[in-house]
Amino acid sequence: GEDVEQSLFLSVREGDSSVINCTYTDSSSTYLYWYKQEPGAGLQLLTYIFSNMDMKQDQRLTVLLNKKDKHLSLRIADTQTGDSAIYFCAERQDTGGFKTIFGAGTRLFVKA
Amino acid sequence: DTAVSQTPKYLVTQMGNDKSIKCEQNLGHDTMYWYKQDSKKFLKIMFSYNNKELIINETVPNRFSPKSPDKAHLNLHINSLELGDSAVYFCASGREGETQYFGPGTRLLVL
Repeated sequence: GEDVEQSLFLSVREGDSSVINCTYTDSSSTYLYWYKQEPGAGLQLLTYIFSNMDMKQDQRLTVLLNKKDKHLSLRIADTQTGDSAIYFCAERQDTGGFKTIFGAGTRLFVKA
Repeated sequence: DTAVSQTPKYLVTQMGNDKSIKCEQNLGHDTMYWYKQDSKKFLKIMFSYNNKELIINETVPNRFSPKSPDKAHLNLHINSLELGDSAVYFCASGREGETQYFGPGTRLLVL
């Protein structure tokens, strides 16, 4: 199976909060990332968190990390239609050449 | 001011052809990567180069060969293209072990 797992779809109403969840398997991961991919575009780094942190907030984005359960979440407050995209969770594995492993991506649909 | 650029953006070609995709970064990073994103949006690493040296080489057909003429460039050559090679190929760069910055992607369609 995949090392990083995410649910494939999430649908929310404009103005609501979105929570995208991710689980990973490598307990030695030091960095965990959230990337955003808009239709037809490349990946854009949204935010990242060090493994020794529990939470990181950046404007409308809040990242929560539960290292014990290897669970990462991204909360988007006041979700807008422009937030519709695919969100990729990724972990940096520090063995075997600093490989970054991506989840399958969560497709966020925002309904007006 | 483009940080990571790829050319071409779109590539349509026939089976059996040989093609190249170019990648350049102006961020001064020492590590560059190639990823393949399939039609289901799964993103898989193919290669990683650090200071012109191959450090990650995932299980890809040897028809794919990365070439790094200098630290700022990592090109991807594909020989004898097959239908299953159709995908979006992303180049990325970063300092070793740090955040990666992605290019806009090259959409390859093999007919």
